Amino acid sequence: DAGVIQSPRHEVTEMGQEVTLRCKPISGHDYLFWYRQTMMRGLELLIYFNNNVPIDDSGMPEDRFSAKMPNASFSTLKIQPSEPRDSAVYFCASSLLGAEGQAFFGQGTRLTVV
Amino acid sequence: AQSVAQPEDQVNVAEGNPLTVKCTYSVSGNPYLFWYVQYPNRGLQFLLKYITGDNLVKGSYGFEAEFNKSQTSFHLKKPSALVSDSALYFCAVREGGNTPLVFGKGTRLSVIA
Repeated sequence: DAGVIQSPRHEVTEMGQEVTLRCKPISGHDYLFWYRQTMMRGLELLIYFNNNVPIDDSGMPEDRFSAKMPNASFSTLKIQPSEPRDSAVYFCASSLLGAEGQAFFGQGTRLTVV
Repeated sequence: AQSVAQPEDQVNVAEGNPLTVKCTYSVSGNPYLFWYVQYPNRGLQFLLKYITGDNLVKGSYGFEAEFNKSQTSFHLKKPSALVSDSALYFCAVREGGNTPLVFGKGTRLSVIA
């Protein structure tokens, strides 16, 4: 398996524009997580899914953020409208059922909003 | 709610010397503890985990970690540091069940030749 695949790797956009980040989890994994990494706040969990169903989105910072998982092999994180303070690295991770399962991370999308 | 503390933002060590990256945790039940490493412009890579059993856990690249229940710690160690070990290290905890990992803020390790 190629691991967790995220696209794009880098995104530069203007304030106010819509941004969509994409993630393909490892095949067979039933949990998918979206994290955001910044210097100030470290790694923050935004939302996670189990079997394509959102379980906890309490980490989503504002209504401008939304995430979907239409099927087991694809998820999106959308920011609309984007703001400069959304600039961060966004990671997607997937794991198997069970507390022992470590999460596998994608390489991240570096988002810059100017 | 579970939480993780990494008290050091930065650790500097000379190549060949032993290294320790500290982590303490807080959970209400049994902890499931993990260490990840992040190299520049890369995602997080799994190093090792403690679920149950022997308190000393061995992982990738010669790293190990010691689970200490009384001190609620899970420090990462390596007997002899390499320059290539320089990276950002994250400790994480899961309280059990199917809850997400909660990460510490990370510790930047610099190994100096």
